[in-house]
Amino acid sequence: KAGVTQTPRYLIKTRGQQVTLSCSPISGHRSVSWYQQTPGQGLQFLFEYFSETQRNKGNFPGRFSGRQFSNSRSEMNVSTLELGDSALYLCASSSIRGATEAFFGQGTRLTVV
Amino acid sequence: GIQVEQSPPDLILQEGANSTLRCNFSDSVNNLQWFHQNPWGQLINLFYIPSGTKQNGRLSATTVATERYSLLYISSSQTTDSGVYFCAVSDYKLSFGAGTTVTVRA
Repeated sequence: KAGVTQTPRYLIKTRGQQVTLSCSPISGHRSVSWYQQTPGQGLQFLFEYFSETQRNKGNFPGRFSGRQFSNSRSEMNVSTLELGDSALYLCASSSIRGATEAFFGQGTRLTVV
Repeated sequence: GIQVEQSPPDLILQEGANSTLRCNFSDSVNNLQWFHQNPWGQLINLFYIPSGTKQNGRLSATTVATERYSLLYISSSQTTDSGVYFCAVSDYKLSFGAGTTVTVRA
């Protein structure tokens, strides 16, 4: 079956703009989580969605938001982009919440100039 | 939150050598996974191993949950094994270690 699909793969934005990233989980998976990877901070948890509801949120400013649709696809939005938002954004899909195996997409590499 | 420490941070191997990567974690967890990050950034699942031992080809992993550590073994390393290996544990979210960068030289 198809894996986790993230679009777009690469993105260049200007400071102050906003951006929307998309994640389609594995068919049948209902939990989607987002992570940010930077050289300085490593991999950090952004938020988790399950059944169209945000269940948990990491320690990120309110400029970072997301949502999940009824088909489990998820989007994350970053408003008023800052240079420090340049990162690899990874989406993870799992069948249910908690102690189950997570599968990652290829990521979206965002560069803010 | 749960703290995850990986060691060593860097590992340089000659092709054909064996190696062991370690992951220590600070609290009881429901899930432990090992990933290999490819050059394009994708995290490739190696093992889902909350406890016990698993093997997949030249790779194997052992998790001793009661002692809060996991080991990843690479045998007969190949240049394609190069990359960053991450251990991640979860309660409700995955907490990642800083990774071990493995370089296998021909």
